[in-house]
Amino acid sequence: DAGVTQSPTHLIKTRGQQVTLRCSPKSGHDTVSWYQQALGQGPQFIFQYYEEEERQRGNFPDRFSGHQFPNYSSELNVNALLLGDSALYLCASSLSTGSSYNEQFFGPGTRLTVL
Amino acid sequence: DAKTTQPPSMDCAEGRAANLPCNHSTISGNEYVYWYRQIHSQGPQYIIHGLKNNETNEMASLIITEDRKSSTLILPHATLRDTAVYYCIVRVAGQAGTALIFGKGTTLSVSS
Repeated sequence: DAGVTQSPTHLIKTRGQQVTLRCSPKSGHDTVSWYQQALGQGPQFIFQYYEEEERQRGNFPDRFSGHQFPNYSSELNVNALLLGDSALYLCASSLSTGSSYNEQFFGPGTRLTVL
Repeated sequence: DAKTTQPPSMDCAEGRAANLPCNHSTISGNEYVYWYRQIHSQGPQYIIHGLKNNETNEMASLIITEDRKSSTLILPHATLRDTAVYYCIVRVAGQAGTALIFGKGTTLSVSS
């Protein structure tokens, strides 16, 4: 059973550019959450998608947007990149029903460097 | 902001028990205590969770005080592979993927 997968593994962009990161959830999971982790910090919640809609959002600007597809996979888009967007972007998947604790399974992350 | 307080770092000798404390004095009655860990350059990994009773699984034990204001994660026989950042998180369970609010966690260093 494949876990959460993310692509690409690493990415280098320049300021002002746009980037799209991709996530495939663990088999059977229908909810995808995205987190940003700056160096030396804990992950920060960006937003969560369920039933192809954004359900929760953290304190991130509108430059950060996302999408969830019918197969539950998800994309994270960041426009007008800033140097401060350099971070590890983590995707986590979970199941919306059945479990009492909705454990989130994390992917390995995409390392984004903005120059 | 994170609702938990953890020491920034701890050391442990290989083969000994590692006891990682966490304070969550403002925890609500419907919030669970979760522990995740993050090994360098990997995504966080779920370890264990609990509401008010002590819990044990194949990875660790979780001891929650009676007033639920603090807890301790116990790795009974730490190995070098347990070197990681450990995050204590309080969260309402039973909701579709409620966001995890991470603090800075505790960096556990296990040495031989």
